[in-house]
This record gives sequence, structure tokens and C-alpha cells, in this order.
Amino acid sequence: QKEVEQDPGPLSVPEGAIVSLNCTYSNSAFQYFMWYRQYSRKGPELLMYTYSSGNKEDGRFTAQVDKSSKYISLFIRDSQPSDSATYLCAMSPSLTTDSWGKFQFGAGTQVVVTP
Amino acid sequence: DGGITQSPKYLFRKEGQNVTLSCEQNLNHDAMYWYRQDPGQGLRLIYYSQIVNDFQKGDIAEGYSVSREKKESFPLTVTSAQKNPTAFYLCASSISGRGALEEQFFGPGTRLTVL
Repeated sequence: QKEVEQDPGPLSVPEGAIVSLNCTYSNSAFQYFMWYRQYSRKGPELLMYTYSSGNKEDGRFTAQVDKSSKYISLFIRDSQPSDSATYLCAMSPSLTTDSWGKFQFGAGTQVVVTP
Repeated sequence: DGGITQSPKYLFRKEGQNVTLSCEQNLNHDAMYWYRQDPGQGLRLIYYSQIVNDFQKGDIAEGYSVSREKKESFPLTVTSAQKNPTAFYLCASSISGRGALEEQFFGPGTRLTVL
């Protein structure tokens, strides 16, 4: 079983709709959670990060973490065609020598926003 | 214009040949990383380096080798021992590699195809 599970999609939504993405994980040591966006044939870029449980909002993007359920979500409001990309979740355990710089990534969900 | 460059963008290799992928950064980052991305799988860490002349194996180091002779350069060699080398290879860097929430900046990737 993978440590981080993410539905690969594709997830197709009309412009203006809310995009809902999620990841589940099995390692209860994960405390740092990140979402990356990757356009086709490009490297990923960091969208948001959160620590432990709770919500974080940044413009049209909201990240949620539910550590009790080992479940994280990313919501994109008022979606635009330019949001069409693959979204990857990534996680890291608490700061220890072994975990330095070592994220566990989900497989990524492909999102298509149609005009 | 700061960033990470990877070359070449596309690379074709015959079976049994070694090939070296280039990664250069001008962000003055101490830490550099190599990931492999396959369809339906998350990014998997091959090697990482937190300082010049030092590097550590990641989760899938077998069949790969690296060097870190200069701070700005972290080339990856895919050897003939790597049984399934066809993949998208991503290089990344971060300030120190010692922060769980430290952003990793990714290059544009190299797509390697073994013929």
C-alpha cells in the first residue's frame, strides 16, 4: 500500500465551478502538508502548505487537513481554464535527521477546467 | 533570472548505455534533489544532497549515481543497471534541506526514453 493515495482523475469541471481534490495517507507521523501544481511538461510549483490540522486560505485556494482521518483536501473556487493542471499533494513527517527534505508525494490529480 | 535548468529536455538512449542528465541552479541553494515521475505514481526521490561533496540515497537509488562537486550543479547518471529507466526526471533545490516546510523549487524536467 502506498503511503499517500491520490485519485489520478482526470477531473473535469466547467469554468466557475469549485474543484475539490483530496489525498489520504497512512503514516500518522506526517505533520507538514503541501500542494503542488504541475502544468503539462513542466516541473511542479508550490501552491500552499499547512502544518498539522486545520484550514488555510489563499485567494481562491483553501487547504484543509484532518489528521484524525488522515485526509487532506484542496479546494479551488471560481475555477478558471488556467487552473487546468495536475495537482500533487506532498507530506513530510516531523523534523528529524532522516526526514530532512524528504517528502512523500501523491500520484497527482489531473484537473481540466472547460470554458 | 534565478532558477533551475535541466538539460536536455528530451533524451533517447539505447539499452545498455549510461546517460547523464544535467541540473544547474543559480539560486544559491545548498540542497538539491533528483526525482523520478512515472504515470500514476508520485514523485519518487532518487538522490539528494544537502552540501557540496555529500549526497544521500533516496527511495529508489539503485541503478543511478550522482555527484556534487559544485554547489550549483547536481548531475544524475542513469546507468545500464537501471532496469526501467524510461521516465520523466525532475531536479529540485531548496535553501538548506533542513526544514520540513522548506519549499523545493523544481526544474522543467528531462524526459528520458530508452529505445
